[in-house]
Amino acid sequence: QQQVKQSPQSLIVQKGGISIINCAYENTAFDYFPWYQQFPGKGPALLIAIRPDVSEKKEGRFTISFNKSAKQFSLHIMDSQPGDSATYFCAASIRATGNQFYFGTGTSLTVIP
Amino acid sequence: DTGVSQDPRHKITKRGQNVTFRCDPISEHNRLYWYRQTLGQGPEFLTYFQNEAQLEKSRLLSDRFSAERPKGSFSTLEIQRTEQGDSAMYLCASSPGQGVYEQYFGPGTRLTVT
Repeated sequence: QQQVKQSPQSLIVQKGGISIINCAYENTAFDYFPWYQQFPGKGPALLIAIRPDVSEKKEGRFTISFNKSAKQFSLHIMDSQPGDSATYFCAASIRATGNQFYFGTGTSLTVIP
Repeated sequence: DTGVSQDPRHKITKRGQNVTFRCDPISEHNRLYWYRQTLGQGPEFLTYFQNEAQLEKSRLLSDRFSAERPKGSFSTLEIQRTEQGDSAMYLCASSPGQGVYEQYFGPGTRLTVT
């Protein structure tokens, strides 16, 4: 049973455009939502994370939008660059019980020049 | 480099052999996690340690898998009697704990069972 559902599976965006990746969850006990970027053959790298007490968090070109009532959160990459081409994973965890992450299935992003 | 390191980076073994992987977390990180990632999927939680104590194990962690963190620093993950289904990337992550929840991943160990 997939605890976190991620879409789309793949995404192609023009350079300078906005990339949007969506995730949804069912377990209302989740209270920490990170996003990771992974290049082929590498480990995931933390991009940005949010807690459910805020609806949006921005770090540079990356923004997380969080909708607690809908149990959804999304990653927006502004001014997408070819170097952003990678696989992106959302995750969710319960901080108080070990904080192990439940990952989505990933989105392969390709930014074309 | 003070990030999470894993050794070896690649391991090819024959079915039935035992393998052991090592993870060195970021210094002073109390929590250490092991995940497994198969091609085209997100990482799946296997187990985690708070200092030297193994606090949780996933149902994915069969009896053939064992993990240790003997002195609360590095950790090892051993797979006994490997099967072809064990072929995957094994990822280690560390986290400061104590109210800080970010997890920092190592480069992983790619296991291929032939």
